[in-house]
Amino acid sequence: QSALTQPASVSGSPGQSITISCTGTSSDVGGYNYVSWYQQHPGEAPKLMIYDVTNRPSGVSIRFSGSKSGNTASLTISGLQIEDEADYYCSSYSSSSSLVFGTGTKLSVL
Amino acid sequence: EVQLLESGGGLVQPGGSLRLSCAASGFNFDSYAMTWVRQAHGKGLEWVSSISVGGGSAYYADSVKGRFTVSRDNSKSTLYVQMNSLTTEDTAIYYCAKPYCTGPSCARRDAFDIWGQGTKVTVSA
Repeated sequence: QSALTQPASVSGSPGQSITISCTGTSSDVGGYNYVSWYQQHPGEAPKLMIYDVTNRPSGVSIRFSGSKSGNTASLTISGLQIEDEADYYCSSYSSSSSLVFGTGTKLSVL
Repeated sequence: EVQLLESGGGLVQPGGSLRLSCAASGFNFDSYAMTWVRQAHGKGLEWVSSISVGGGSAYYADSVKGRFTVSRDNSKSTLYVQMNSLTTEDTAIYYCAKPYCTGPSCARRDAFDIWGQGTKVTVSA
């Protein structure tokens, strides 16, 4: 149950697009289409942004999109806004009937 | 309004025990699998345990297996986790979480759209 690998930090300017990667193995990310992405602001509980690799829950902005290639999933945020500054975590179902989260990425909007 | 409210956190000595509760409201609790996730201060999210809709199946992270026991009382719409043999590594905020499903029942153990506010567990001498 090793954590999925994410970059520690990414940054972008308002209006730009950024992509956060989430790398696992064939036993988790690569083996299932059950990748989710969460946004977490300081002091708050996480918020679901993407589920099943590409799907957005109702109410989540279309600026957020997800994809997957092999053992790596990605979250893309287009038209960056100040309020997008937060920590982002991916998660994936794993072959051991467990759930594994990513190491987390701090997004700075400069 | 759909809500989850955790309770039971606090300060406990290493080797001690604690039971956390998560009271659910605003949705059919007995139709959803439920999950505990924790987060140490300044650290990332860590899956702890999940339990099936009826409570017959439980799943644990290797880090807590054999020490934690998840359970639920569907008549009370409440999720529990009994934590024994606690170590300093268990110090964290513990969240309960409900999966996102569009149907009337939900067996999935990922994709959590509703989280509680968290309850803090501190294991220290």
